Amino acid sequence: QVQLQESGPGLVKPSETLSLTCTVSGGSVSSGSYYWSWIRQPPGKGLEWIGYIYYSGSTNYNPSLKSRVTISVDTSKNQFSLKLSSVTAADTAVYYCARLILGGSYLGNWFDPWGQGTLVTVSS
Amino acid sequence: QSVLTQPPSASGTPGQRVTISCSGSSSNIGSNTVNWYQQLPGTAPKLLIYSNNQRPSGVPDRFSGSKSGTSASLAISGLQSEDEADYYCAAWDDSLNGHVVFGGGTKLTVL
Repeated sequence: QVQLQESGPGLVKPSETLSLTCTVSGGSVSSGSYYWSWIRQPPGKGLEWIGYIYYSGSTNYNPSLKSRVTISVDTSKNQFSLKLSSVTAADTAVYYCARLILGGSYLGNWFDPWGQGTLVTVSS
Repeated sequence: QSVLTQPPSASGTPGQRVTISCSGSSSNIGSNTVNWYQQLPGTAPKLLIYSNNQRPSGVPDRFSGSKSGTSASLAISGLQSEDEADYYCAAWDDSLNGHVVFGGGTKLTVL
């Protein structure tokens, strides 16, 4: 049973860089069948996909966040990480990591499982 | 403003059947599969339906999904109090080099 766990600072100052790590247990980030993803949810609002990474290092980011986002993977630690630069109060959200299962061109792709999420507040 | 459009709220009484709609466009729902996620209060989202109408192991068959053209629907039959949650649809969007889009979510209340 794969489990994901987010970790990182819960408070970040405006204009600084938000950094989070997702640790994967019960499975390997080096598996070729999955992408590893970040998704966020502002308080009281809906879900927003941030981006994903393949074990090879190939990435894809939300166009609206692309200029500020970097996702990386550390296969030796079975972790992947998120960096979001120049944060503002609008980046305050619960940040989730999730596995994106590649079902192929017919079945498509879906997120499963999700981590429990971590709240990051941007405030001075 | 979410790319996929869902009603903000839905409601029903125990035992009823309710449906939640998700409307998109030719670049997302019209050409890709739809997934549904259930978010119980204070918890992380959980996969409910994948590939338009497939239920993961452990999801009751009271939950079903369908897709037609650029729209999709989630149906819940035999509504139970524990179904009170937020429901999100999601799909791949082929525009802008491809990315994932979510609906704005529907809050389901069991009266």
